[in-house]
Amino acid sequence: QSALTQPASVSGSPGQSITISCTGTSSDIGDYNSVSWYQQHPGKAPKLIIYKVTDRPSGVSSRFSGSKSGNTASLTISGLQAEDEADYYCSSYTRSSFLGIFGGGTKLTVL
Amino acid sequence: EVQLLESGGGLVQPGGSLRLSCAASGFTFSNYAMSWVRQAPGEGLEWVSAINYNAGNSYYADSVKGRFTISRDNSKSTLYLQMNTLRAEDTAVYYCAKDPQYYYGSGSWIDCWGQGTLVTVSS
Repeated sequence: QSALTQPASVSGSPGQSITISCTGTSSDIGDYNSVSWYQQHPGKAPKLIIYKVTDRPSGVSSRFSGSKSGNTASLTISGLQAEDEADYYCSSYTRSSFLGIFGGGTKLTVL
Repeated sequence: EVQLLESGGGLVQPGGSLRLSCAASGFTFSNYAMSWVRQAPGEGLEWVSAINYNAGNSYYADSVKGRFTISRDNSKSTLYLQMNTLRAEDTAVYYCAKDPQYYYGSGSWIDCWGQGTLVTVSS
């Protein structure tokens, strides 16, 4: 099963907004609402920031938001802060393997 | 506070075996599905395996099917991953991960991660 497709890198200045896309197929993102997003700082474990496409766990900033259209999910970070610089991964269940799959990851650089 | 503590990683020769453990605390372990996710050095995440709350069903990535076995001991709040016939491409940090549901499936995601344990397969 191929990974979901994410841009390798995105960048933005403090205060700006950025969006990271995550493209799958009708066997995963297109057919399930279990899209989740994870933030990973260097040398650290990933951290859940979005689940069920749009929901945020308690304690996660409202600057993080998620959406989905067809086979593509998106993560938007508004009001960029230096601490947002990290790798971001999307994930979805897929009926191709009956297991979750991840995107290849996107490195966010805050200029 | 939910805590997942992995152990059992290390250096192993190709073709060898290793068993990873994940000790869970801070929640009722027996009520939740669990997973193992790995990350090769400098690479992305790969979902390796998942198991339902009662060990009734388990799931594997094609890359490890037939070589790895996931299991759990709810009386000890511990998750395991038995890894056999290890290959160089199995070299990765292995994360223990908690699901917010009883059953692993289409509504699953990971709401808590351990810190990971490094497995290195090399001669």
